[in-house]
Amino acid sequence: GAVVSQHPSRVICKSGTSVKIECRSLDFQATTMFWYRQFPKQSLMLMATSNEGSKATYEQGVEKDKFLINHASLTLSTLTVTSAHPEDSSFYICSAADRGQETQYFGPGTRLLVL
Amino acid sequence: KQEVTQIPAALSVPEGENLVLNCSFTDSAIYNLQWFRQDPGKGLTSLLLIQSSQREQTSGRLNASLDKSSGRSTLYIAASQPGDSATYLCAVTGAGSYQLTFGKGTKLSVIP
Repeated sequence: GAVVSQHPSRVICKSGTSVKIECRSLDFQATTMFWYRQFPKQSLMLMATSNEGSKATYEQGVEKDKFLINHASLTLSTLTVTSAHPEDSSFYICSAADRGQETQYFGPGTRLLVL
Repeated sequence: KQEVTQIPAALSVPEGENLVLNCSFTDSAIYNLQWFRQDPGKGLTSLLLIQSSQREQTSGRLNASLDKSSGRSTLYIAASQPGDSATYLCAVTGAGSYQLTFGKGTKLSVIP
């Protein structure tokens, strides 16, 4: 089956620093990648949708200048949390869909802790 | 706007029991519905996917049903095992948008 990886799996950083999270589709070309965020005891919330080679589409309430998304190739999307603050601490999960977009394959997630 | 509700929020059962998890959604215009499993601090594992034209899907001890007109789905787990302990998430894909809307999940604990 299709495999999606995320790196790092866990990151701790100081407030004010930037953190980059990578999402890779290992055995298929992902024309679309999705970024989700999950706070404790809450459901996953879609943050943004990115299509290869174009700008990401952000959900309402998600700051595009704070959460920079780059989808430069068909196998890699990155999410950069700029000037991270403790309230950005969360579990970030990406998913990737191929050209048909019928099924999303999820990465294992990245736990971010901002001190 | 699609809303997905899962009941109960938490469930504790003794090993060997059969159980049912419930999911409801407000907009019946869906492309498919999926059930996921999430272990603590981990990503999601897709369990079953039901297309909007289907009524149910089965995989091993798991059976998921879909009643699109009433906006309901159930996940039936037979002969539960301690290894089934996890949070189970229901998600619907909007027709034409391919975006997923998730419920908050049901946390299942199977007691040995």
